Amino acid sequence: AQTVTQSQPEMSVQEAETVTLSCTYDTSESDYYLFWYKQPPSRQMILVIRQEAYKQQNATENRFSVNFQKAAKSFSLKISDSQLGDAAMYFCAYRDGMNYGGSQGNLIFGKGTKLSVKP
Amino acid sequence: DTEVTQTPKHLVMGMTNKKSLKCEQHMGHRAMYWYKQKAKKPPELMFVYSYEKLSINESVPSRFSPECPNSSLLNLHLHALQPEDSALYLCASSRETGTVISPLHFGNGTRLTVT
Repeated sequence: AQTVTQSQPEMSVQEAETVTLSCTYDTSESDYYLFWYKQPPSRQMILVIRQEAYKQQNATENRFSVNFQKAAKSFSLKISDSQLGDAAMYFCAYRDGMNYGGSQGNLIFGKGTKLSVKP
Repeated sequence: DTEVTQTPKHLVMGMTNKKSLKCEQHMGHRAMYWYKQKAKKPPELMFVYSYEKLSINESVPSRFSPECPNSSLLNLHLHALQPEDSALYLCASSRETGTVISPLHFGNGTRLTVT
């Protein structure tokens, strides 16, 4: 069974600084997808960034980038120029490459990392 | 503003009550999901509907009954719940894309308390 591990329950960063959140996963699949979702106090889960396993290039979205190490099964999230609005729970998630016939099947989430941003 | 709307935002119910959670999206998505999230835990998948048909049921107790009346609406009917069912219930939707990955769009959730 696939598992996702986030080893940092809480992290803190100073405003405008850079922080990296860790995520490792375990799978025997070669085709899969990885995501980082953010959940602020408003409770809504918001997609931050995604990575296809077959792509060697690391995904970037503005201030957010990932370091995808497929052999090491590692998928860390780097947040640059941290802002107060980045404070949230961050979940790493895994999805296998199966065709679920119209849906995205079952996303497997890590336990989350609570990020605090200090002004 | 969220494109997936969940009502109510908060719900308190007794163990003998019958209530329903509602979810609505108008993005043309054909897949809809119910997740349960306990405090300080990640979301756990309950049900998936694809093209208005139940495609995944993660061994959820029968006191939770999902319904998808049309492609825009998803309900979760609750009956004879237990206090341990108290949680945040999240609805999500995604485009039907076959093998292409489409992200999930989540609502703000319904905070359910069972007394």
